[in-house]
Amino acid sequence: DAGVTQSPTHLIKTRGQQVTLRCSPISGHKSVSWYQQVLGQGPQFIFQYYEKEERGRGNFPDRFSARQFPNYSSELNVNALLLGDSALYLCASSLFLDLSNQPQHFGDGTRLSIL
Amino acid sequence: EDKVVQSPLSLVVHEGDTVTLNCSYEVTNFRSLLWYKQEKKAPTFLFMLTSSGIEKKSGRLSSILDKKELFSILNITATQTGDSAIYLCAARVVAGNQFYFGTGTSLTVIP
Repeated sequence: DAGVTQSPTHLIKTRGQQVTLRCSPISGHKSVSWYQQVLGQGPQFIFQYYEKEERGRGNFPDRFSARQFPNYSSELNVNALLLGDSALYLCASSLFLDLSNQPQHFGDGTRLSIL
Repeated sequence: EDKVVQSPLSLVVHEGDTVTLNCSYEVTNFRSLLWYKQEKKAPTFLFMLTSSGIEKKSGRLSSILDKKELFSILNITATQTGDSAIYLCAARVVAGNQFYFGTGTSLTVIP
């Protein structure tokens, strides 16, 4: 079975541009979460989506937005890019909304570099 | 402020050594603690701990949670070079299914 897939793997943008990152969850998984991992730090929670609705949001500015499609894939959009947005963006999927008794499965991430 | 702190930040050991990685947490409405191994890219799941004092074991790895003292440890016995990675712990809270990750412990195992 395919794991969580993310595209693109690498991306270079300049300040002020906009970017869209994509994630396909494991087949059958309905919950998708997005994380930002700056070099040398642990992942920071950005969003969780379940059944196409936002179910959780971390402490990120409104420049960050996301959506989930009927096939449960998801996109993360970041507008007005800043140098500080340079990071590895990870997507994680799980079967259900409640993550109490199930781990999330991570994709390999998109490495975003802002020049 | 919710936070998760891991120690040590980095560790270099020889093959065959035993290591103990620490994770302390201060979060509101704690639900569970998870350990992940991150090599180059995707963190891979190791353990989920929800109850105090119950050791979880997988091969040479084991982990335990202390909800009174708010910490967890991850033990790796008879380390191998393939154990070299960053080990992340994350505390899950009830609200919004949020996970708070620590900065990780970078483990290097030398032959």
